[in-house]
Amino acid sequence: DAGITQSPRHKVTETGTPVTLRCHQTENHRYMYWYRQDPGHGLRLIHYSYGVKDTDKGEVSDGYSVSRSKTEDFLLTLESATSSQTSVYFCAISTGPGNEQFFGPGTRLTVL
Amino acid sequence: EDKVVQSPLSLVVHEGDTVTLNCSYEVTNFRSLLWYKQEKKAPTFLFMLTSSGIEKKSGRLSSILDKKELFSILNITATQTGDSAVYLCGLGGSQGNLIFGKGTKLSVKP
Repeated sequence: DAGITQSPRHKVTETGTPVTLRCHQTENHRYMYWYRQDPGHGLRLIHYSYGVKDTDKGEVSDGYSVSRSKTEDFLLTLESATSSQTSVYFCAISTGPGNEQFFGPGTRLTVL
Repeated sequence: EDKVVQSPLSLVVHEGDTVTLNCSYEVTNFRSLLWYKQEKKAPTFLFMLTSSGIEKKSGRLSSILDKKELFSILNITATQTGDSAVYLCGLGGSQGNLIFGKGTKLSVKP
């Protein structure tokens, strides 16, 4: 299995609080992605990174920010969590665009 | 706009049956099409199809890509209960991401 970990694996928080999710890889892959998965919507891209300090928005980026200061770490921040951000968040890594992506174990976030 | 549609959305079969899952797509600039299996956890990679690799096979699973008609199929022969999962089709997008369909939920009954 690709070396990808996510932390925390589960989190319950309250509306309005900031939340940071971490993705850590040991594969030295250049591309990293954050997706959210919701019933009826499938997997949707939030943000992605194509190198250290190089990030861009995905389909559902509103309310989220990201940072990548090291190759191995990609952080997703919800500045002020809302109930609509209750979801399962997956990190993925890839060697390049269009190549296979390997997914982390996911983080289940509940915003009350 | 790049788009992926999977069908059927759900399917119930019995062990030993053969199933075909469909994925149709619209894309401006085709890079690749990937299939994943998801069993209540992270998606796991099955196949990647490209312009230079339009057929893939691994054991009881196989997949083909039709670039002219813009679809792919995933075949599973002699299904087993362990094949029960959601199967996801992902299209290589212009941002380097994957654009996923909503998935096909396959249930294999003993």
